[in-house]
Amino acid sequence: QVQLVQSGAEVKKPGSSVKVSCKASGGTFSSNAISWVRQAPGQGLEWMGGIIPMFGTTNYAQKFQGRVTIIADESTNTAYMELSSLTFEDTAVYYCARKGRQLVLVGHFDSWGQGTLVTVSS
Amino acid sequence: QSILTQPPSVSGAPGQRVTISCTGSSSNIGAGYDVHWYQQVPGTAPRLLIYAYNKRPSGIPDRFSGSKSGSTSASLAITGLQAEDEADYYCQSYEVFGGGTKLTVL
Repeated sequence: QVQLVQSGAEVKKPGSSVKVSCKASGGTFSSNAISWVRQAPGQGLEWMGGIIPMFGTTNYAQKFQGRVTIIADESTNTAYMELSSLTFEDTAVYYCARKGRQLVLVGHFDSWGQGTLVTVSS
Repeated sequence: QSILTQPPSVSGAPGQRVTISCTGSSSNIGAGYDVHWYQQVPGTAPRLLIYAYNKRPSGIPDRFSGSKSGSTSASLAITGLQAEDEADYYCQSYEVFGGGTKLTVL
């Protein structure tokens, strides 16, 4: 089973950007899509976008189009999510999650990172 | 606003059976996308419970089962309820999640 380990908590100012990393170990990386899902305090799960590392193919939720960038580095088995123009409403725990099926951007998530708390505060 | 609708809460006594429904639309479940279920204990990452309506990953007890009901709905059933089952449960279809259901074990 693949393990996903994310970078540590961040505190950011409104209007700035944040970049969160997700390193995979113990399983395939390139052929399974990595997605990013966030959870605001006391709220549910919200899908933001994903990437198939082998192809660099991405898809993003319409809500985050133009504000989120997801990339993957096959040499280090690490995926990154950068979110720009932060507002207070972006305060949330951000999870990376791996798709259980290979070479597709849809489907279930079989492994999750531990989560990264991003706090937007002035 | 979630496009997949779940009841906000369900409850049951130890040993009982509970079900959680997930109702979608022609954009997700009705379009042929499978339904998957996750369990999230507060403060931890979600865990895959059921995928493709009724398949259990290795390590998930057979007390957890899933089914499809109609063209745009699915259900998660938990039998032999245990205290450790108290958590939030989310359904997912396509790239949409339900709003979550809080399970309380009485």
